[in-house]
Amino acid sequence: KNQVEQSPQSLIILEGKNCTLQCNYTVSPFSNLRWYKQDTGRGPVSLTIMTFSENTKSNGRYTATLDADTKQSSLHITASQLSDSASYICVVSGGSQGNLIFGKGTKLSVKP
Amino acid sequence: NAGVTQTPKFQVLKTGQSMTLQCAQDMNHNSMYWYRQDPGMGLRLIYYSASEGTTDKGEVPNGYNVSRLNKREFSLRLESAAPSQTSVYFCASRDSGLYEQYFGPGTRLTVT
Repeated sequence: KNQVEQSPQSLIILEGKNCTLQCNYTVSPFSNLRWYKQDTGRGPVSLTIMTFSENTKSNGRYTATLDADTKQSSLHITASQLSDSASYICVVSGGSQGNLIFGKGTKLSVKP
Repeated sequence: NAGVTQTPKFQVLKTGQSMTLQCAQDMNHNSMYWYRQDPGMGLRLIYYSASEGTTDKGEVPNGYNVSRLNKREFSLRLESAAPSQTSVYFCASRDSGLYEQYFGPGTRLTVT
């Protein structure tokens, strides 16, 4: 079954600290992997999209990695800010119809 | 350029009532999608439209109908609302050949 698992479910860090969120997937065939940020009460917004051949991609303080062999991805946030408080969703595109398969998200809280 | 807009933002229905959720995009995208997001679950695809004039079922289509009115607009209809349809509904759009999906702000629906 095509699945996307994220860990941890929730995370609290202090402002200025770094953190890493994890994503494991069992989607076949694989097309691409995305990380979205979803603020409370808003729609998801794309942070990065990586295809099979890409193993790292950055967007400002956000850096995503992809290991297609182990089917794992991570999202590293550097020097966190209060505005980073949100849910981060890992999404894999693939499967027989190429639709998006969403993880449940990691809820990040950045405290002052 | 408003991106993807959804109306209404909030709605409360009684069991058995009907309603239509509206979605419009001004990015000239071919593909449009309807998702639902429930607590503790990833977003799930209800219906999608790969192009004007076509619609297809997603993962959870039961109890819903859709209409791709034109290239800009994609509506979701609940004919007889049930408490199990209490959820947050997101519309998204994507241009052909590109991976990026753009999400609307969501409609929070409660069925009592």
